[in-house]
Amino acid sequence: GAGVSQSPRYKVTKRGQDVALRCDPISGHVSLYWYRQALGQGPEFLTYFNYEAQQDKSGLPNDRFSAERPEGSISTLTIQRTEQRDSAMYRCASTPRGAITDTQYFGPGTRLTVL
Amino acid sequence: AQSVTQLDSHVSVSEGTPVLLRCNYSSSYSPSLFWYVQHPNKGLQLLLKYTSAATLVKGINGFEAEFKKSETSFHLTKPSAHMSDAAEYFCVVSDRRGSGGSYIPTFGRGTSLIVHP
Repeated sequence: GAGVSQSPRYKVTKRGQDVALRCDPISGHVSLYWYRQALGQGPEFLTYFNYEAQQDKSGLPNDRFSAERPEGSISTLTIQRTEQRDSAMYRCASTPRGAITDTQYFGPGTRLTVL
Repeated sequence: AQSVTQLDSHVSVSEGTPVLLRCNYSSSYSPSLFWYVQHPNKGLQLLLKYTSAATLVKGINGFEAEFKKSETSFHLTKPSAHMSDAAEYFCVVSDRRGSGGSYIPTFGRGTSLIVHP
């Protein structure tokens, strides 16, 4: 079946612009996670959802970052007034049951570059 | 608070020799532990996971890991390296955080496995 997809795969924007990154999880998966990965580092947790409810947003760096999953499926991560330090790979992952033992299924990521 | 330490940023082996990638963790509860692999220009893929059943866990492509609670370790091993094993490997701990009980995975910074012919 279809895996996790993310769009766009690459995004180049100018400082101060808003960007919206999309994640389409595996159909029926309960949980959806967003991560940010800097070069040479592991993925860093940003936020996650169970169905449409945002369960934890403690990893969002500041109030320029927000996320939603209004119908419990597709999710959008929005970064307002982008800054150069926001440049990174943004990854999403979905899990089938929302359980601690769940495998995370990752998308290919969106490479964001802020000029 | 949970944390993960991958003790080596790079490990270099010759094809056909054993592989050891080291991971230590700290966790306040009973965690689940995972190893993920990332090949160049590919997404992350599960290699294996420990979920409080058998302490020796077998994964894909001949990899295995042993959960040692007394040492808070979850090292990844493979008896004989293959060229196709060259990739970035991430150790992950997941447990409940805070009173709300969110399941938040924490990733190590990764170990790059280099395999020489």
